[in-house]
Amino acid sequence: AQTVTQSQPEMSVQEAETVTLSCTYDTSENNYYLFWYKQPPSRQMILVIRQEAYKQQNATENRFSVNFQKAAKSFSLKISDSQLGDTAMYFCAFMNFFNTGKLIFGQGTTLQVKP
Amino acid sequence: EAQVTQNPRYLITVTGKKLTVTCSQNMNHEYMSWYRQDPGLGLRQIYYSMNVEVTDKGDVPEGYKVSRKEKRNFPLILESPSPNQTSLYFCASSDSAGLRPYEQYFGPGTRLTVT
Repeated sequence: AQTVTQSQPEMSVQEAETVTLSCTYDTSENNYYLFWYKQPPSRQMILVIRQEAYKQQNATENRFSVNFQKAAKSFSLKISDSQLGDTAMYFCAFMNFFNTGKLIFGQGTTLQVKP
Repeated sequence: EAQVTQNPRYLITVTGKKLTVTCSQNMNHEYMSWYRQDPGLGLRQIYYSMNVEVTDKGDVPEGYKVSRKEKRNFPLILESPSPNQTSLYFCASSDSAGLRPYEQYFGPGTRLTVT
């Protein structure tokens, strides 16, 4: 069975600094999708970034980028120039390419951006 | 406006009293899912549906029922709620086509308390 692990329950960063959130996963599959979702205090779940496993290039969305290490089964999220609005819980998630109805989430990392 | 709606947003009930949480999406998405969110456990998938009349168990299906009679609706039924089902519930939908396939669009969440 696939699992997703986020080993950092809480993190903090100063405004304008860079922070990296860790995520590891376990799978025997070769084709899959990985996602990072953000949940601000409003509780709304928002997609931050996605990565297809067959793509070697790391995904980037403005200030958000990932470091995808397929062999190590690692998928970290880097937030550059952190802003107060980045304060949220962040979830890493895994989807098997051959079962795209099923999404497995990690435990979440609470990020506090300090002014 | 593209959205996923859930009702009710808040619900307090007693053990054993059957309840239904409704979910509806207006994006003509194929996939719909239910998740529960608990502190320290992240989001866990309860059930998912890959199309009308096609449903499958997620990781924590015990005590829940679902049906998908129409593409837009995916209600979650608790026939005999128990206190361990006190949680925050999210409905989500996604599609295999488009620019961002399999991106989950989440509803606003339903906070359920069972006493």
